[in-house]
Amino acid sequence: AQKVTQAQTEISVVEKEDVTLDCVYETRDTTYYLFWYKQPPSGELVFLIRRNSFDEQNEISGRYSWNFQKSTSSFNFTITASQVVDSAVYFCALLNYGGSQGNLIFGKGTKLSVKP
Amino acid sequence: KAGVTQTPRYLIKTRGQQVTLSCSPISGHRSVSWYQQTPGQGLQFLFEYFSETQRNKGNFPGRFSGRQFSNSRSEMNVSTLELGDSALYLCASSPSDRPMNTEAFFGQGTRLTVV
Repeated sequence: AQKVTQAQTEISVVEKEDVTLDCVYETRDTTYYLFWYKQPPSGELVFLIRRNSFDEQNEISGRYSWNFQKSTSSFNFTITASQVVDSAVYFCALLNYGGSQGNLIFGKGTKLSVKP
Repeated sequence: KAGVTQTPRYLIKTRGQQVTLSCSPISGHRSVSWYQQTPGQGLQFLFEYFSETQRNKGNFPGRFSGRQFSNSRSEMNVSTLELGDSALYLCASSPSDRPMNTEAFFGQGTRLTVV
């Protein structure tokens, strides 16, 4: 079975705090892709990152960083020095190799509130 | 470059009515997917179209249907609306039908309320 679990439903932090959003996935496939999307209050999902299962190197993009660990089936997302504009719902998603857009499995999302 | 455009943004319908939602993908994108987002169920896949062909369909009743036109614009239709159809309907466009190769761009959605 394929599944994505985002155990944190809501997180509230104060501006400039670091925050980590957890994502745990389940799949039997050896080749798969993991994604993070951001959904601001305006509604659209904004693509943040795509990572394939063979690339366990952590990635950093500005204040964003991702920690992919196959041993624990986790793909966690950290925002350093959070800002109010980071307030949004964040979704982790899983796609097995060869799957089309419809085969994306989304987690339930984590709502992040960053207070000034 | 214009983004994904969904119309209308908000809609209120009565139970039993039908509704048509529209999605105009980014120019040059041939893949369009639809999702339903509700607080309880989260993001659920509805359909995927590529070059006017339905490539994939989610687990929704036959009241939900869709199509894609030759210019890649897509519409989805829900007939005999139920209260449970109230949701944010999101459309995503992509140049490819393989999301592992390209990213999908989402519209702002249509907020449907069924009363």
